[in-house]
Parts: sequence; structure tokens; C-alpha cells
Amino acid sequence: EAGVAQSPRYKIIEKRQSVAFWCNPISGHATLYWYQQILGQGPKLLIQFQNNGVVDDSQLPKDRFSAERLKGVDSTLKIQPAKLEDSAVYLCASSPEWTRQETQYFGPGTRLLVL
Amino acid sequence: DQQVKQNSPSLSVQEGRISILNCDYTNSMFDYFLWYKKYPAEGPTFLISISSIKDKNEDGRFTVFLNKSAKHLSLHIVPSQPGDSAVYFCAARSGGSNYKLTFGKGTLLTVNP
Repeated sequence: EAGVAQSPRYKIIEKRQSVAFWCNPISGHATLYWYQQILGQGPKLLIQFQNNGVVDDSQLPKDRFSAERLKGVDSTLKIQPAKLEDSAVYLCASSPEWTRQETQYFGPGTRLLVL
Repeated sequence: DQQVKQNSPSLSVQEGRISILNCDYTNSMFDYFLWYKKYPAEGPTFLISISSIKDKNEDGRFTVFLNKSAKHLSLHIVPSQPGDSAVYFCAARSGGSNYKLTFGKGTLLTVNP
């Protein structure tokens, strides 16, 4: 079974530029999550989708971050414009069931550096 | 407001000995606790979990203990192996409509041969 795919793996941009990350979850997984992991911190949930609907985006900085999940499969996370403090690893995860959080499968992440 | 705390940034143990990783939480609404393991350049992988109605869960070399009155949980690895060297994250699930996970900062475990 293929795992969660993310691209790009690394990205370096200057502040005020835009950037987008892509995630392809495990086939058939209904729930998709985007996390932000700043160096030395644990992952922080940014947004959670159930199929193509948003379940929780309470910690998403909506003035600069946006995310979509078209057709309930792939998802993109965009930052526009980027700030220095956005430097982090962005993790995508998916899970097949609503209540079993232990079944979250994480991708390798995209490491973003904002200069 | 850090609701899940892992106060030890790192831990070093000898191969074959016991590793004990600790985690404290402040939110009484957490109903499920999980440990994830993370290798460099990889995403976290689920290791073991425990419901708030239990005080112990065991899976092979890994055992998680929960002390609800102290709002404390610990992960025991016995015996420790060099391949266990990784960052371990404690996570807690809040009840409600979306079962959001809150992670601690992680503990880097190094198992020396």
C-alpha cells in the first residue's frame, strides 16, 4: 500500500513570496490533515478535512494560509505572502476512520525555509 | 498554553536497558493518549495508545502507563534497542466533534550499543 505522498520535499523562498504544497493521501482515506511543525515543537494541526469539507481550521492563519481538497482526494496548502515565522515542516496525514486517531498516517513532510 | 508537556528534550540509555519517556497534560477533557515515533526526514508513525479509562496498555516491548489523577503518562521500552533511537511525541485527543490531537514537543531518545 502506497503511503501519503507530499511534494516538494524542500522549498526555499523569500519573505512575501507565495508557496504551495501538495498532498496525496492513502487511497480511500476520508480524513486529511495538515500540520505545521516548527523546529523544536510538536506538530500543530492547521486544518482537517473530512472528504472535501473542512472540519476544523481554527488554528489556520486565514489571512495568509489557505487549503483545499478537491474531489475529496488530493489537497494543497498555500501560503501567501510568506513570513519568516512560517519556516517549518508541513506534514500531511490521512486516516480512514473518523474516530480512530491512531490510524493517522503521516507523509514525509515539506521543509520550508523563508529567508 | 502548552497542554501536553514533554519536559525532557533528550534521553540517552544503553542497549538492553529500560527507556522511560514521560508526558504531562493539563486538559482534563483529553480522553485518549498516543505515542508517535519519528525518524529524521520521515513523518511520525503511530506507536501505541491508551484510553483514559485504562491505566496500562502493552504491545511487545512497549508499555504505556496512565495516571489520571496526576495527569501523567509514560512510555516504557524494554529492552531498548539502537533502532529505537528516534524522537518520541506524546499526543492527546480531545473529545467532541473532531477529535483533534495535541502534541508535545517530543523527546529525542538515543540508545547506545
